[in-house]
Amino acid sequence: AQKITQTQPGMFVQEKEAVTLDCTYDTSDQSYGLFWYKQPSSGEMIFLIYQGSYDEQNATEGRYSLNFQKARKSANLVISASQLGDSAMYFCAMREDTGGFKTIFGAGTRLFVKA
Amino acid sequence: GAVVSQHPSRVICKSGTSVKIECRSLDFQATTMFWYRQFPKQSLMLMATSNEGSKATYEQGVEKDKFLINHASLTLSTLTVTSAHPEDSSFYICSARDPGRGRGFSQPQHFGDGTRLSIL
Repeated sequence: AQKITQTQPGMFVQEKEAVTLDCTYDTSDQSYGLFWYKQPSSGEMIFLIYQGSYDEQNATEGRYSLNFQKARKSANLVISASQLGDSAMYFCAMREDTGGFKTIFGAGTRLFVKA
Repeated sequence: GAVVSQHPSRVICKSGTSVKIECRSLDFQATTMFWYRQFPKQSLMLMATSNEGSKATYEQGVEKDKFLINHASLTLSTLTVTSAHPEDSSFYICSARDPGRGRGFSQPQHFGDGTRLSIL
């Protein structure tokens, strides 16, 4: 079974609008961490935001927020006020308590921001 | 600035050549480093976990003799693709765990900028 599922291969958003990138995960661990990374065409991985399984508040980092719904096992990324520079691949990822610090990545969503 | 340096950024070589990729942590000691492989338009697939002073732990399906990993110091891990063939062409990314920052799952994982390997 897929540990991390990103069902949107590609998304379009108008500049200055908000966009939600979906992520669902599967784990039997009680302790785990969820991450979002951005990968521009140049290839580097840029950390965006982190949510711990026991965190009661949704994580926020500037224009990025994570909509964490633990019971539904979803961790959607919300980007507000999209900018042209946000066009990139976005990966949802997870570390499990039993995973030995390994990070497992989803298939990714390519975001296109239109001017 | 970059806290993990990966070198080279791009390699083009003939089939049968062995290629070494270096991953260095610049301002922290990385007891654990990870090597990923990424095919075009696909996700990062974990190849192996590299632990300083011990043998690497390879993921299922990764050939140990093809992808040699050495983690000889707390700041350097190397991946050697032995006798590379065109099917080994890919984007290889290393990352390093920074145990000195964060707690538990939130410890940062710093990525190198990747190496694009092309085997002719």
